[in-house]
Amino acid sequence: GENVEQHPSTLSVQEGDSAVIKCTYSDSASNYFPWYKQELGKRPQLIIDIRSNVGEKKDQRIAVTLNKTAKHFSLHITETQPEDSAVYFCAASRGGADGLTFGKGTHLIIQP
Amino acid sequence: DGGITQSPKYLFRKEGQNVTLSCEQNLNHDAMYWYRQDPGQGLRLIYYSQIVNDFQKGDIAEGYSVSREKKESFPLTVTSAQKNPTAFYLCASSNLYEQYFGPGTRLTVT
Repeated sequence: GENVEQHPSTLSVQEGDSAVIKCTYSDSASNYFPWYKQELGKRPQLIIDIRSNVGEKKDQRIAVTLNKTAKHFSLHITETQPEDSAVYFCAASRGGADGLTFGKGTHLIIQP
Repeated sequence: DGGITQSPKYLFRKEGQNVTLSCEQNLNHDAMYWYRQDPGQGLRLIYYSQIVNDFQKGDIAEGYSVSREKKESFPLTVTSAQKNPTAFYLCASSNLYEQYFGPGTRLTVT
């Protein structure tokens, strides 16, 4: 089955700086890669996703890049703000209505 | 955000008892999912259903059972065979690709 590795497990950045979280996956048939943000005690919320026919996708301060050859994808957050502090999860699936395989999460801390 | 409900928010049970967690959605989504989250861990897939009256095992199905008799509902039963049932259980639904989560049920078994 699919295996998703996520790094780092904790990331501390100064407010206003950029943050990058990286994931690798093992199943070459995976073609859908979402990112979720989870605040303490709350449900995960989808913040951005990418499909394998696209190399990069941006939404305001958030971007995701995908390298299918190397089987890795990354989340980039620019101009970080205190409200960006949360746990971020990457995931992968074969698409359609298949279930997701998640990474173990990155705790992002924004230092004032 | 809205449209997927899980109840109750907190659930306490004694070891050896079966317990059923509720998940309802009014988004008209075909697919529904159950995930388990343990402290400091990512989510792990328990079961999923792509259509009414059909479901598939996920990565950690042992000790769990599900049914999908209606499009709107996908209840999860945690049986006494599940060795470590205490966890945060999240239900999700999807109409293709994007999955949206319910608020979760925190189950404690003592």
